[in-house]
Amino acid sequence: SQTIHQWPATLVQPVGSPLSLECTVEGTSNPNLYWYRQAAGRGLQLLFYSVGIGQISSEVPQNLSASRPQDRQFILSSKKLLLSDSGFYLCAWSGQGGLYLGKLFFGSGTQLSVL
Amino acid sequence: EDKVVQSPLSLVVHEGDTVTLNCSYEVTNFRSLLWYKQEKKAPTFLFMLTSSGIEKKSGRLSSILDKKELFSILNITATQTGDSAVYLCAPLLYGNKLVFGAGTILRVKS
Repeated sequence: SQTIHQWPATLVQPVGSPLSLECTVEGTSNPNLYWYRQAAGRGLQLLFYSVGIGQISSEVPQNLSASRPQDRQFILSSKKLLLSDSGFYLCAWSGQGGLYLGKLFFGSGTQLSVL
Repeated sequence: EDKVVQSPLSLVVHEGDTVTLNCSYEVTNFRSLLWYKQEKKAPTFLFMLTSSGIEKKSGRLSSILDKKELFSILNITATQTGDSAVYLCAPLLYGNKLVFGAGTILRVKS
């Protein structure tokens, strides 16, 4: 069966520090991968998605970047964190099509606090 | 710009009550609509609706889509405290993009 791992669960970082959040998927190949951010009391905002290795689409201009160095690995990064980067970050995967189309399977999330 | 509006924003009911959650959308390249339940951290999938007028059911939950009027509703009958969660509506667009609404916070009191 497929599983998704996301870490760390909680992170407190000072303003201006770098960020690296990692997500890996097991039990499937060539998944679509996504990074979402959820501000308190808000819906999920799509940050990045990837349909393959090295292919990253950015949805909103921001202080963050994403990379997909391997088929089932997705990394969210920042060189210098801002206060506004605080939030709940969720990684997710979906199949390329068919039965799984549109069904996202989420990791357990990272609560990031930038102080 | 794609827009998804969920109502009400929050709701408090007693166990046994029936609730109706609403989702209206204005998006381009609509393909289908999904509902998710978010209890603590990771949202979990509830329904995918592709065709108008066909009700999807799963136990006490049901949902229906109206593609002409651009809305969907999620019904929960005989609510239980375990139904307390944030319910998220998300139109799926061609290109595999999901656009989430802000959610409805449901609290069921015993």
